[in-house]
Amino acid sequence: AQTVTQSQPEMSVQEAETVTLSCTYDTSESNYYLFWYKQPPSRQMILVIRQEAYKQQNATENRFSVNFQKAAKSFSLKISDSQLGDTAMYFCAFRVGGSQGNLIFGKGTKLSVKP
Amino acid sequence: GAVVSQHPSRVICKSGTSVKIECRSLDFQATTMFWYRQFPKQSLMLMATSNEGSKATYEQGVEKDKFLINHASLTLSTLTVTSAHPEDSSFYICSARVTSGMGTGELFFGEGSRLTVL
Repeated sequence: AQTVTQSQPEMSVQEAETVTLSCTYDTSESNYYLFWYKQPPSRQMILVIRQEAYKQQNATENRFSVNFQKAAKSFSLKISDSQLGDTAMYFCAFRVGGSQGNLIFGKGTKLSVKP
Repeated sequence: GAVVSQHPSRVICKSGTSVKIECRSLDFQATTMFWYRQFPKQSLMLMATSNEGSKATYEQGVEKDKFLINHASLTLSTLTVTSAHPEDSSFYICSARVTSGMGTGELFFGEGSRLTVL
């Protein structure tokens, strides 16, 4: 069975600082995708960043980057220059295979950015 | 990015009544939509996969007769909670998958619907 584990229920960071959210997963598949979603207080899920398992290069999106360690099955999210608007729940998610697979979510990490 | 709209955002109903929640893909066609349930401070739990023109596929433990899903068009899926009870109170979220063109395979989420059953 595929599982996604986020070991940090809550984290906080000072504005403008850098924070890293952890995520590990378990699968026997070789072709899969990994995602980080953000759920702000408004509750709508927003895709932050995605990583294809076959790509060795870590994905980056502006202030957001990942550290993808395939052998260790680790997929951490680094947020640089944290902003107050980054305050949200962050969910790590995993999808097996091609575009037809379902998403499996971790339990989430609540990030608070403090002024 | 693609837009998915969910309606209503909040609904309060009496126990025993039925409630319908709509999920629309506004600027793309979605042959597949997903319905999730999220309890407070919990992750999203997949309830069912909604396929246009065919029956929904329900996850284990989800009562298909209680949570009726209809996906009659490529842009609309509905979730009807029948004979709602207080334990059905939750946050329901839909997502739609882009099936062609740019972003194929990506999921976009609706704003969610907060159901409170009195």
